[in-house]
Order: sequence, then C-alpha cells, then structure tokens
Amino acid sequence: SSELTQDPAVSVALGQTVRITCQGDSLRSYYASWYQQKPGQAPVLVIYGKNNRPSGIPDRFSGSSSGNTASLTITGAQAEDEADYYCNSRDSSGNHHYVFGTGTKVTVL
Amino acid sequence: QVQLQESGPGLVKPSETLSLTCAVSGYSISSGYYWGWIRQPPGKGLEWIGSIYHSGSTYYNPSLKSRVTISVDTSKNQFSLKLSSVTAADTAVYYCARLCITMVRGVLLNWFDPWGQGTLVTVSS
Repeated sequence: SSELTQDPAVSVALGQTVRITCQGDSLRSYYASWYQQKPGQAPVLVIYGKNNRPSGIPDRFSGSSSGNTASLTITGAQAEDEADYYCNSRDSSGNHHYVFGTGTKVTVL
Repeated sequence: QVQLQESGPGLVKPSETLSLTCAVSGYSISSGYYWGWIRQPPGKGLEWIGSIYHSGSTYYNPSLKSRVTISVDTSKNQFSLKLSSVTAADTAVYYCARLCITMVRGVLLNWFDPWGQGTLVTVSS
C-alpha cells in the first residue's frame, strides 16, 4: 500500500498565503484530491484533479503537483479557512484502493 | 442535489459485527458511480475502508479486508457496511461518500464528493 505524508500543522497570518504539501509515491501516477474538515463536521472537497474546484469553493484555493508532491495553496487566507486539510489519492498499487494523507491543521493568526 | 445519510447503532460490543447503512437521495445508485466508506477515530485522521460499484464490485482496504463486507441495495437506493469482530480500535466516526472517477485527456481523476454527515460508532461492553 501507499502512504501520503503531510506536515502536522501550519499557521498563516490573515490575508497571507499558505501552502500545504502532501508527499507520496502514488502521486507520481495519480492526482490528489483535497478535503477541508472543520471541527465536528464532515470533510468537504475543495480541490480535485490538476486544479479543479467544486462549485461553491472560493478561488483562493488552488492545487498543483510535481513529482511525488501535491500542494494545496490558500491565497489570502481567511479566518474561516482554519481547519484540518487532508489529501487523498488512489493507491500506487493500481488496485482501486485509496489512501488519505495524515492531515494538516491550518491555523489562521 | 445528491445527499447521503448514515444510520446504524451507535454502540457495538467487542467481538460483534458493526452494521451501517448509507441512504442516498437525489441520485439513483443504479445509474452509476462508486460509493465508499471512510472512518475517522476520535482525534485522528481519515482511513478509507472500501468502495463498491453500483453493479456490486467491491474493493477493500487490505488492512481491513478480512473483516469488511460492503453491499448495495439498488431497490432501496442504499449501500451498507459490515465490519466483523470489532475491538475498541474500531471506535470512530464512519462516513459514507460518493466516489467519482473519470478520465480527462487520458488522465485518471478520482475524488470523494459528497459526504454524509458521519455517525459515531463506539465499541464498548
């Protein structure tokens, strides 16, 4: 199976830019999707594919990928962006299995 | 608008079988898509449990495969999770979600959306 590694926590000043990274071998073959989870709530999809945002997700959220690393960038972070963020991709085994990242807690200062 | 809702017992005894159902509204399961279960132990991260195609093909997390069964009931527009021989380590919030898979210009994309609100299952005697 594969693993996806994320930094446990990052902080960003209000209005500034923060990048959250996700590393894993499977990302060389598959794009990551990204999820925002606020306390007591279900995860919400914010980015999928190369850089696709579902309807209703602000354009300050963007995604990118290079080699074994996927990134989620929040440009102009808002107080409501404070949450846990998880990446996800298909397992590198190609067996229709999926893996989630370890999660990153984003604090907006 | 597609909506998912988990239901089932909130308390299960050790060694017994955990059973949950995910009711889907706003979309007919028999029309397509994959459907999945994900769990989150208290204070911890997300773990993919398994997925099922509308036709019934199943895929399970290798670490749980020996204990997991996912099934679909298209007549009721719902799919279900059974996890046998549970222990305290299986205490978690269990989510169901639609798994979207598509090919764009030769590139495979997949994502989970939408998710149910989740249901807490506690394993305790």
